[in-house]
Amino acid sequence: GIQVEQSPPDLILQEGANSTLRCNFSDSVNNLQWFHQNPWGQLINLFYIPSGTKQNGRLSATTVATERYSLLYISSSQTTDSGVYFCVCSNYQLIWGAGTKLIIKP
Amino acid sequence: ETGVTQSPTHLIKTRGQQVTLRCSSQSGHNTVSWYQQALGQGPQFIFQYYREEENGRGNFPPRFSGLQFPNYSSELNVNALELDDSALYLCASSLMTGTSYGYTFGSGTRLTVV
Repeated sequence: GIQVEQSPPDLILQEGANSTLRCNFSDSVNNLQWFHQNPWGQLINLFYIPSGTKQNGRLSATTVATERYSLLYISSSQTTDSGVYFCVCSNYQLIWGAGTKLIIKP
Repeated sequence: ETGVTQSPTHLIKTRGQQVTLRCSSQSGHNTVSWYQQALGQGPQFIFQYYREEENGRGNFPPRFSGLQFPNYSSELNVNALELDDSALYLCASSLMTGTSYGYTFGSGTRLTVV
């Protein structure tokens, strides 16, 4: 089955810093989403991005489907960005990466 | 449009009991899937329902069962609860059209088995 690998596993940054989270997947996928899980467990859909580039405020994402990777960029980090970021791929069922745990210090 | 609603938000059960968790899918979505997330881990796929039929299942024993209703809402039932069943249970809905579809998640039900 499809393998989804995320890096780094943990990231600690100062407020205001920029970061790049990476997701590699082992086979072609029809669907790729980035989710943010906040400390209360709520999963927030950030991007639905099987290919191309999208931007939403301070966040943007790029998926290069031919090279089987996706990047999530967070600029000017805020403490509310803390949580776990999951890359999730699917052709039929969701395959989850292990997540990147991001801590933004004030 | 309404999002995905799960109930209850928190639940405490005793080992050996049975539990039913509920999920109302997002308006317009026809597919519901359930996930178990243990503390500090990523969600694990339990099963998925499309048009009231199970169309995918993860590595969970038969005591985990489910239903999808004509309005696309869903239930997850767990029999003979074990301590390891303590977790956050997440429901997600999606619109299955061809091969490409996005998922929306509920806030989850946190189940504690004592």
